Amino acid sequence: GAGVSQSPSNKVTEKGKDVELRCDPISGHTALYWYRQSLGQGLEFLIYFQGNSAPDKSGLPSDRFSAERTGGSVSTLTIQRTQQEDSAVYLCASRSYGGTEAFFGQGTRLTVV
Amino acid sequence: KQEVTQIPAALSVPEGENLVLNCSFTDSAIYNLQWFRQDPGKGLTSLLLIQSSQREQTSGRLNASLDKSSGRSTLYIAASQPGDSATYLCAVNTNAGKSTFGDGTTLTVKP
Repeated sequence: GAGVSQSPSNKVTEKGKDVELRCDPISGHTALYWYRQSLGQGLEFLIYFQGNSAPDKSGLPSDRFSAERTGGSVSTLTIQRTQQEDSAVYLCASRSYGGTEAFFGQGTRLTVV
Repeated sequence: KQEVTQIPAALSVPEGENLVLNCSFTDSAIYNLQWFRQDPGKGLTSLLLIQSSQREQTSGRLNASLDKSSGRSTLYIAASQPGDSATYLCAVNTNAGKSTFGDGTTLTVKP
């Protein structure tokens, strides 16, 4: 596609349920990033992929959070046993190999009730 | 650990005014710096990207400067319009592409 695509755009889930958020990067982009934007917390880095490997997972807030990337393309961010504090907008970005700029998707707004 | 601060947190100006948004960062070892715009409930729109070797970038009514040694960047908006009302985010990036964001400046331009 022309840009980074994220799905769903909105997700409401009950506390304790697992959720999966999907990111389709720009075709050919090797690097993929996940960020979270919470009320009062700003935008924070979660994890970074280069190809299918994740050299930097330093931002994952707990072991309930995991992410994978297959085929060097689509990535899935999984949150297990969701908590209300997980409510946020989850943003994905991708960058080409050797590129200087990351391009962001429109985000997934997650609400845990 | 890189920290990014944006001042002011909020700004309200009448239409037509020129204005400056400020961004400071603690670690000058950056790859590049990027200014974004975010409208309520929307994603990020990239405005300007400045490489670490550059001093400024211009796009239309926007001009961004970078002083890497002092850890500062400014975004200058000329002849502001109500459509410029949004939150402006500054992000400093490593060469791996990882971004550290400021908390943003929320701009309101009154007609």
